[in-house]
Amino acid sequence: TQLLEQSPQFLSIQEGENLTVYCNSSSVFSSLQWYRQEPGEGPVLLVTVVTGGEVKKLKRLTFQFGDARKDSSLHITAAQPGDTGLYLCAGGPISSGSARQLTFGSGTQLTVLP
Amino acid sequence: SQTIHQWPATLVQPVGSPLSLECTVEGTSNPNLYWYRQAAGRGLQLLFYSVGIGQISSEVPQNLSASRPQDRQFILSSKKLLLSDSGFYLCAWSGAAHSNQPQHFGDGTRLSIL
Repeated sequence: TQLLEQSPQFLSIQEGENLTVYCNSSSVFSSLQWYRQEPGEGPVLLVTVVTGGEVKKLKRLTFQFGDARKDSSLHITAAQPGDTGLYLCAGGPISSGSARQLTFGSGTQLTVLP
Repeated sequence: SQTIHQWPATLVQPVGSPLSLECTVEGTSNPNLYWYRQAAGRGLQLLFYSVGIGQISSEVPQNLSASRPQDRQFILSSKKLLLSDSGFYLCAWSGAAHSNQPQHFGDGTRLSIL
């Protein structure tokens, strides 16, 4: 069974601070996706990384896929209250099964205080 | 463009009553479809997935069932709800091409069992 552990589970910071969220596993994944979810809504995809060592930037958000494709990080620069939400990582399967199942991480609840 | 609709948004049911949650997708054909349950502020637990009409795979033994009567319709059901069935239920779809396809989520159903 593939598991993805996210840390920290909760993070509360002041506007303007930087932060990093981690997503770790002992399993290898074909890809790593990051989602953000707001209360009462479904998760929304932020980015997909597929190559070991890959770095992608989305405005103030920087995503990195580990060289061994077992872990990933999300770094936010100068956080804003609009960044508040639940951040979920999700790993794509190595083996091609009959459906494209993602393994979701345990989530990081980020609160950015004005 | 593709859209996913999930209803109802909230539902309060007594213990022992039946359940039917419906999810429909528009703007795509032959999607993979998924039902997840999410505890407050936590990751997603995959309940069922489907790669085609009438094809359902169950991930977790429980008193819930799923059906896919049409290509873009996915239904989550129960004959007798338990208190432990309370939670936030999310439907999602993805393309069937490869494992790096993102999943697109509905806005969820908040189910409370009394």
